[in-house]
Amino acid sequence: SQQGEEDPQALSIQEGENATMNCSYKTSINNLQWYRQNSGRGLVHLILIRSNEREKHSGRLRVTLDTSKKSSSLLITASRAADTASYFCATDATRDDKIIFGKGTRLHILP
Amino acid sequence: DAGVTQSPTHLIKTRGQQVTLRCSPISGHKSVSWYQQVLGQGPQFIFQYYEKEERGRGNFPDRFSARQFPNYSSELNVNALLLGDSALYLCASSLGLLAGISTDTQYFGPGTRLTVL
Repeated sequence: SQQGEEDPQALSIQEGENATMNCSYKTSINNLQWYRQNSGRGLVHLILIRSNEREKHSGRLRVTLDTSKKSSSLLITASRAADTASYFCATDATRDDKIIFGKGTRLHILP
Repeated sequence: DAGVTQSPTHLIKTRGQQVTLRCSPISGHKSVSWYQQVLGQGPQFIFQYYEKEERGRGNFPDRFSARQFPNYSSELNVNALLLGDSALYLCASSLGLLAGISTDTQYFGPGTRLTVL
């Protein structure tokens, strides 16, 4: 079963706008990661946030983690056409040694 | 340095056949994980191998097996193929074992697209 659930399932925004995607999970985690996937190809690691961290930045990416709500958000600022992709959250649950991915958010940046 | 490589890129098989997929990790990486990604879904964890030993297994039937070689490359075998095995199979490598408080990054290969007819 999938640990994480991304929301929304699909998102279309104008180039230059900010895109926010959310991820909810079910069990306690060691860390949470966000990945990007272009057109059914390999995944690219974007950012990892540990369970004791609340916010992390990397370039135009901002990730927050709320362990009390078991949720995370990924914010992409000043979106570009190249940001069009599927975005997945993945959790490393404390109870087992598996990386569990959500179903993903399909982001489409409109020119 | 080369990234994670997988072969073949595409594969078409018929029901009941067997398939072997191959993965070469990034040089120096000792852990390889395999994932199955059905169209429209997120990757599903199949196996993790570290130092040639199985260190994690997802909810897949025994038809799925894997191994890791002394050079840390890996093979995923699927026997008695079913139509539902059609998917993108992803391999990922990392420096160490992905467990507990590890913050190692996984690097994914481009995947093998398996179609079962």
